[in-house]
Amino acid sequence: EIVLTQSPGTLSLSPGERATLSCRASQSVSSSYLAWYQQKPGQAPRLLIYGASSRATGIPDRFSGSGSGTDFTLTISRLEPEDFAVYYCQQYGSSRVTFGGGTKVEIK
Amino acid sequence: QLQLQESGPGLVKPSETLSLTCTVSGGSISSSSYYWGWIRQPPGKGLEWIGSIYYSGSTYYNPSLKSRVTISVDTSKNQFSLKLSSVTAADTAVYYCASGPPRFMIVGNIDYWGQGTLVTVSS
Repeated sequence: EIVLTQSPGTLSLSPGERATLSCRASQSVSSSYLAWYQQKPGQAPRLLIYGASSRATGIPDRFSGSGSGTDFTLTISRLEPEDFAVYYCQQYGSSRVTFGGGTKVEIK
Repeated sequence: QLQLQESGPGLVKPSETLSLTCTVSGGSISSSSYYWGWIRQPPGKGLEWIGSIYYSGSTYYNPSLKSRVTISVDTSKNQFSLKLSSVTAADTAVYYCASGPPRFMIVGNIDYWGQGTLVTVSS
């Protein structure tokens, strides 16, 4: 099983600031099969990034993904009020799909 | 644009079987373009992949749940279902049905989510 460790657990930032979220895998993720999701309270998660760096349909370009192998990053270039939420990474490069524990981005 | 909707009991007794159905609209469950899956999220916690199924009937189950899980498809109703047997309080969670393109075998990123349904295991 590939264990995904997200850091930090909580990120306290102000609107307009840059957010950098990390997702580290216990072993290499095949073909960069890594996705990022945003989840707001009471809602289902929403796909932001797939294939480590491809934005999903309708996702603003302030969201970007990067990385390969075992280290992946989600960057939000300038936080908007609606971006404060919990973010999860997911790997699907093995038949045993796993998620990270999440990073909460909260308003400072 | 796919739309997914879960349905089923919100309360299940310990040791019984949890049964949920996901109704798909906006696309065919027989399509090779999607896999169909279930994910759950205990209250206040993270996400856990339960399993997935493909139009061919191939299935993948999380090894930690494999002995208790069955996912099946009903093409006549454009639905797929989840059965989880011998439930305990630890199975209390919001259950999501989900779908996306099969990137690796019959799993992948999740493009489409149901709204989720809370299932509580309690006597």
